[in-house]
Amino acid sequence: DAKTTQPPSMDCAEGRAANLPCNHSTISGNEYVYWYRQIHSQGPQYIIHGLKNNETNEMASLIITEDRKSSTLILPHATLRDTAVYYCIALGGYFGNEKLTFGTGTRLTIIP
Amino acid sequence: NAGVTQTPKFQVLKTGQSMTLQCAQDMNHNSMYWYRQDPGMGLRLIYYSASEGTTDKGEVPNGYNVSRLNKREFSLRLESAAPSQTSVYFCASSGPYEQYFGPGTRLTVT
Repeated sequence: DAKTTQPPSMDCAEGRAANLPCNHSTISGNEYVYWYRQIHSQGPQYIIHGLKNNETNEMASLIITEDRKSSTLILPHATLRDTAVYYCIALGGYFGNEKLTFGTGTRLTIIP
Repeated sequence: NAGVTQTPKFQVLKTGQSMTLQCAQDMNHNSMYWYRQDPGMGLRLIYYSASEGTTDKGEVPNGYNVSRLNKREFSLRLESAAPSQTSVYFCASSGPYEQYFGPGTRLTVT
């Protein structure tokens, strides 16, 4: 699976859009980009995933560049409950039974 | 639908003691996983089970054993605990495109 690079920390004002970047310059054509988050010390929570098209669900949007070397997770209206560590993972396979490799992620702090 | 449950939530062991961490899921998933998370680090895979009756090593299997008792349950055993095994342990199971995680077991080995 391709290595991903994320900034260690970010702040965002409550109510604003939080944009979390991820670099995956060595990603291969069949690798998906997955995002998980970990709130406080809870178990990680799946957010969204995509291959090459932009994706949106009830939690977030995922924008993947045309060359697929980077992506951005967007939380459209951040709330205090979105304060968490966000992990970007490149995964070779669509199926959920792939083994996840977590880096250190981005610690997002939502400021009141 | 409880999702993934883990017991116990907290445990303190002395060096050399043994214990088993229990995990169960009620989502009829085939694949289950055990991860550990050390302070300030991401999760690392210890063992996984792609289906009932099969288990495979992950990134950090030394010092651990696992049992896939049935489709619902996947246990992790520490035969002789060491201070280096102080960590938070997470169990997970796989849906069609995502993993569901339990709340974790916080283990301290003194």
